[in-house]
Amino acid sequence: DAGITQSPRHKVTETGTPVTLRCHQTENHRYMYWYRQDPGHGLRLIHYSYGVKDTDKGEVSDGYSVSRSKTEDFLLTLESATSSQTSVYFCAISAGPTGEDEQYFGPGTRLTVT
Amino acid sequence: SQQGEEDPQALSIQEGENATMNCSYKTSINNLQWYRQNSGRGLVHLILIRSNEREKHSGRLRVTLDTSKKSSSLLITASRAADTASYFCGSVRRGAQKLVFGQGTRLTINP
Repeated sequence: DAGITQSPRHKVTETGTPVTLRCHQTENHRYMYWYRQDPGHGLRLIHYSYGVKDTDKGEVSDGYSVSRSKTEDFLLTLESATSSQTSVYFCAISAGPTGEDEQYFGPGTRLTVT
Repeated sequence: SQQGEEDPQALSIQEGENATMNCSYKTSINNLQWYRQNSGRGLVHLILIRSNEREKHSGRLRVTLDTSKKSSSLLITASRAADTASYFCGSVRRGAQKLVFGQGTRLTINP
């Protein structure tokens, strides 16, 4: 699993509340990614990072922000959670230095917004 | 929009048979990757095939890539119950540093 952990693993929150998910890696990989997985949609990229304080948007970035102040941590924030953000969230790292290589995934965070 | 499309969406076969899954993509790629996901778990990388490669093997897995048709296939030979999972292809466009995944194929191996 390339030393990737996610926290929390499960969370239930109410509509309108802020939520932060954390991804932590132990192997100093440059590229980190946040995906969401929903039935019928596969995995969709939310945001990714290519270094400390360097981030870019994915295909479903609306309503999400990210931060990376340290190499090992990549945070995903839902500023004001909505029911449409109920999903399973996966963090991943790219094994190589260019972001083109195989990715290794964390165990996922199941988020329910009520 | 999704770069990759997988076919079939679901496949059910008997243990010992071969399973073939297909993936199509839309733009020129740097490489294409296949992943497996067991229920409730994160994706696990299986094989990466580069745009200048046509075929790659890993154990019981065989991946082919046809860049002229913008398609790839994953063959699992002599399937086992433990192969039951969802399989995803992901492609890396030229110049991009991210994967775009298809919706996956749900494979069920019946004993």
